[in-house]
Amino acid sequence: SAVISQKPSRDICQRGTSLTIQCQVDSQVTMMFWYRQQPGQSLTLIATANQGSEATYESGFVIDKFPISRPNLTFSTLTVSNMSPEDSSIYLCSAGTGYNEQFFGPGTRLTVL
Amino acid sequence: SQQGEEDPQALSIQEGENATMNCSYKTSINNLQWYRQNSGRGLVHLILIRSNEREKHSGRLRVTLDTSKKSSSLLITASRAADTASYFCATDLTGGGNKLTFGTGTQLKVEL
Repeated sequence: SAVISQKPSRDICQRGTSLTIQCQVDSQVTMMFWYRQQPGQSLTLIATANQGSEATYESGFVIDKFPISRPNLTFSTLTVSNMSPEDSSIYLCSAGTGYNEQFFGPGTRLTVL
Repeated sequence: SQQGEEDPQALSIQEGENATMNCSYKTSINNLQWYRQNSGRGLVHLILIRSNEREKHSGRLRVTLDTSKKSSSLLITASRAADTASYFCATDLTGGGNKLTFGTGTQLKVEL
């Protein structure tokens, strides 16, 4: 298994600002992903964080809005840019193990006013 | 669109009873994973079942997979109040690069 931590755990932000969320894994992993969970909804994949190259975004998500970094095999960041109240969600990172299991961090609860 | 649909959307049972949740999906998968989420917190990984497996057990959990029907079920036996949570299935699609597509979730409430 993999143990994943995220910072911050929650934040309240003003519209028009940006927030960077950090994700740290306790071991080297090949795959890291970022998901969004809107209030009362299921999880939707934002992007795959690729080590050493640009992230791969899902339909409906763009790099300008959700820039992602992955400088090494244990760390990734997601930035939510130019925020609006519609961005209020829980943001979760996950890491895939060699056995294809995916483990999730505790999430970052974002509220945009 | 989401790959998985789960039913029921909500389930309320008494402590000690069994709870069964079902998940259906649309296309070929490598594996299917079940997760638990308590009150909007992080997801806890429960069990992974591969496409060539039909049944797996872990403690009080039993998962079945029927690839011909594109469906899976999660059974929690002898439920406890602490099992109260949302449960999600997630599919790792064939050729999908290990990305997970989540179902709609089942909200389970176990009452004393």
